This record gives sequence, C-alpha cells and structure tokens, in this order.
Amino acid sequence: QVQLVESGGGLVKPGESLRLSCAASGFTFSDYYMTWIRQAPGGGLEWLSYISNIGNTMYYADSVKGRFTISRDNVKNLLFLQMNSLRAEDTAVYYCATATYSSGYYAGYWGQGTLVAVSS
Amino acid sequence: QSVLTQPPSVSGAPGQRVTISCTGSNSNIGAGFDVHWYQQLPGTVPKLLIYGNSNRPSGVPDRFSGSKSGTSTSLAITGLQAEDEADYYCQSYDNDLSAWVFGGGTKLTVL
Repeated sequence: QVQLVESGGGLVKPGESLRLSCAASGFTFSDYYMTWIRQAPGGGLEWLSYISNIGNTMYYADSVKGRFTISRDNVKNLLFLQMNSLRAEDTAVYYCATATYSSGYYAGYWGQGTLVAVSS
Repeated sequence: QSVLTQPPSVSGAPGQRVTISCTGSNSNIGAGFDVHWYQQLPGTVPKLLIYGNSNRPSGVPDRFSGSKSGTSTSLAITGLQAEDEADYYCQSYDNDLSAWVFGGGTKLTVL
C-alpha cells in the first residue's frame, strides 16, 4: 500500500536551515507529482509547493518562494524540501503528499508529518 | 484570511444531515477548478474525503457527498455519526495566485 514517511524535522533557530525528506513506497513514485503542505499548531492547512513527476517543474506559495526549494530523487523514491532562512511563523507540522490532477491538483495520499519548530 | 471561506463550526445530532459550505471566487472555484475535501479526525493526518467536486475515494462512505454551483461548493454528511466529529477542509486551485488554496477549516461537532 502507499506509504509516505517524512523525516528531518526538529528545533532550529530563526535564520537557520533544515532539509525535510519524504520516503515513498507502495506506488510508482516517478508517475506522481508530489506536494508539501503544512499545518501550524492549532491552525489550518497551507499548501507550500509541488513538483512534477520528473522534477522539471516546481511551484511555490508566495509565503515560501525564494526560501524553500522542492526537489526529488526518482531513483531513491525520495522527495525533499530544503528550507532556508526559517522564521518563527514556519513552525508547523510538514506533510508530504501525492498530487493528482482533477482540473487542479489534490493531495491523495499523505504522510504522517514531521514537526518543525523555529524558536530562539 | 483564507481564499476559500468556510464556516468555522457546524453541529448536528446523530442521524441528522449537515452541510459545510466553501465559497470562493471567479479566480478559483468560479473559474472551473475542481474542489476537494479533506477530513482530519482529532490528532490525525488529513485524509482525502471528496475529490473532483463530488467523487469519493474508495472506502469513503456514501454518507459523504460533494456538490458545486458557481463559486460555491458544499460537503453534505447524512446519517451523522459520532465518529464524523472532525475538522473538514476544502481545497481548490487559484489562477490569479497560481497556487493551491485551502479553506480555513470547519469543525464539525456531533451533539
């Protein structure tokens, strides 16, 4: 069955960097667009970025554009989110998910999430 | 301020029918982009509930249904059960923002 496992979260100070990983299994990873979505403590869902199946097209939310970079390794079935210049407002649980098209994309399968806390 | 507007909370008694609205604009729902719904049970990961406005993934009971009209969509839950108590989010795509957009979420309380 589809499994997505995020890792790499933790506590960092403002201005520092973190790289999240998402290990995919149970499906043909290279067939799927992938996305990152986050949820601040007690808050709603916020879309961050998605990447095409072959990794040549990426899109970002304005809130992270220029600071976060999405990438993937289709050989190792891994999705990444490089997060630079982290701010307190980036504190959230970060989910990776498959992105499927239906007149716009949706998140079909979700990982369990990894917590990122940004605090001095 | 979310691009898609949902009521913060709704409630209903077991067995009743409740609806959750999701209102957008001509740059997202009104532009023809599909709306998708997610259910997040307390302390768990969000789960896809409805995709493409009205389609249920395998395993989602037919008590859950979605509909779309103009710049608004609705999620309807019939035969309300205690285990339906959760947060529900709508999501679409916004052409002006070139971004996925979510509603702020609606907390469903089963009385």
